[in-house]
Amino acid sequence: GAGVSQSPRYKVAKRGQDVALRCDPISGHVSLFWYQQALGQGPEFLTYFQNEAQLDKSGLPSDRFFAERPEGSVSTLKIQRTQQEDSAVYLCASSFEDRVETNTEAFFGQGTRLTVV
Amino acid sequence: GDSVTQMEGPVTLSEEAFLTINCTYTATGYPSLFWYVQYPGEGLQLLLKATKADDKGSNKGFEATYRKETTSFHLEKGSVQVSDSAVYFCALSDLVGDYKLSFGAGTTVTVRA
Repeated sequence: GAGVSQSPRYKVAKRGQDVALRCDPISGHVSLFWYQQALGQGPEFLTYFQNEAQLDKSGLPSDRFFAERPEGSVSTLKIQRTQQEDSAVYLCASSFEDRVETNTEAFFGQGTRLTVV
Repeated sequence: GDSVTQMEGPVTLSEEAFLTINCTYTATGYPSLFWYVQYPGEGLQLLLKATKADDKGSNKGFEATYRKETTSFHLEKGSVQVSDSAVYFCALSDLVGDYKLSFGAGTTVTVRA
């Protein structure tokens, strides 16, 4: 597709359930980012991949959160044993450049809205 | 740590009115500054950016100037249209590219015909 695609668009999970959120970046994009956006707040950085390497996971809020990008394309964000505070919109973004110092733009997907009940 | 504070909304304006959204930041180094826009039902889009002091970013009639002395990056547009109705986010990055952005809380702008 032409843009970053995320699925599902909406997910309702019971507390304690595991969820997996998918991101299809723009073809050929090297860098991939995950952000978490709570209601009424701006997005907060979770993790960053350069190809298949996870170079920064400093924003992951707990060890229940795990992200992977095994072939350097599609990425999955997994949340184990979901809790109510995990309810948020999860945004994925990708960019072409592989050097963070370059003057590049990241393109965002529409996000997955996760509601934990 | 780095942080961004932007004007709270919502903001409601009439068409052709002047829009300004205040944004101030706290950063240890010399960050790059961005404005992102989210139109209804769409993903975040980069609106404009500035990478060093006194730079002016501009796009679609919007402007913002990187003011190091006041640590600000206020967004302005001289004459808004209904199509400018959206949520606007101010953001910063410690690096030139928009990696590991720190966002403000967002300002909802509604323009009425």
